[in-house]
Amino acid sequence: DAGVTQSPTHLIKTRGQHVTLRCSPISGHKSVSWYQQVLGQGPQFIFQYYEKEERGRGNFPDRFSARQFPNYSSELNVNALLLGDSALYLCASSHRWDREINEQFFGPGTRLTVL
Amino acid sequence: AQTVTQSQPEMSVQEAETVTLSCTYDTSESDYYLFWYKQPPSRQMILVIRQEAYKQQNATENRFSVNFQKAAKSFSLKISDSQLGDAAMYFCAYHLTSGGGADGLTFGKGTHLIIQP
Repeated sequence: DAGVTQSPTHLIKTRGQHVTLRCSPISGHKSVSWYQQVLGQGPQFIFQYYEKEERGRGNFPDRFSARQFPNYSSELNVNALLLGDSALYLCASSHRWDREINEQFFGPGTRLTVL
Repeated sequence: AQTVTQSQPEMSVQEAETVTLSCTYDTSESDYYLFWYKQPPSRQMILVIRQEAYKQQNATENRFSVNFQKAAKSFSLKISDSQLGDAAMYFCAYHLTSGGGADGLTFGKGTHLIIQP
């Protein structure tokens, strides 16, 4: 079975532009989470989606948005890019989102560079 | 807000020896999960081991084991018989189980583990 896939692998944008990152979860997984990992830091939680609804949001500005599609794939959108948005963006999928422990499986990430 | 602290930015160990990575966390909750994730240079984050806070018994997965001290809010990872393939960034992470688990994982800054051949 294929793992979590993300596209593109690398992306270079300039300040003020908009970017869309994509994620396909493991088959059968209905929950997708997004994380931002700045160089030298641990990942920071951005969003969690389950059954196409937002279930959780981290401390990120409104420039960040996401959605989940009927096939459970997801997009992360970032508007008005800042230099500080340069990071590795990780997507993780899991079976569920609620109280039961459910392992999050991570994708390889998208490396975003903002110039 | 919950925080996770990894006080060792980098650790080095000889192949076949044992190394312990430290992690402390701060929370007022009693019901949560703790994890150790490995991130090799290829970037894909892999779950190494997990611990439910309500369980007193320390989790073990082959060469990997944890020392979970709930009162001290400490969660260290011991790697026995270190192998070259263990070289990676290791992240300690916390996940609250209340509130639907919708806060995502809270990660520490990571420990870079170097294996000396």
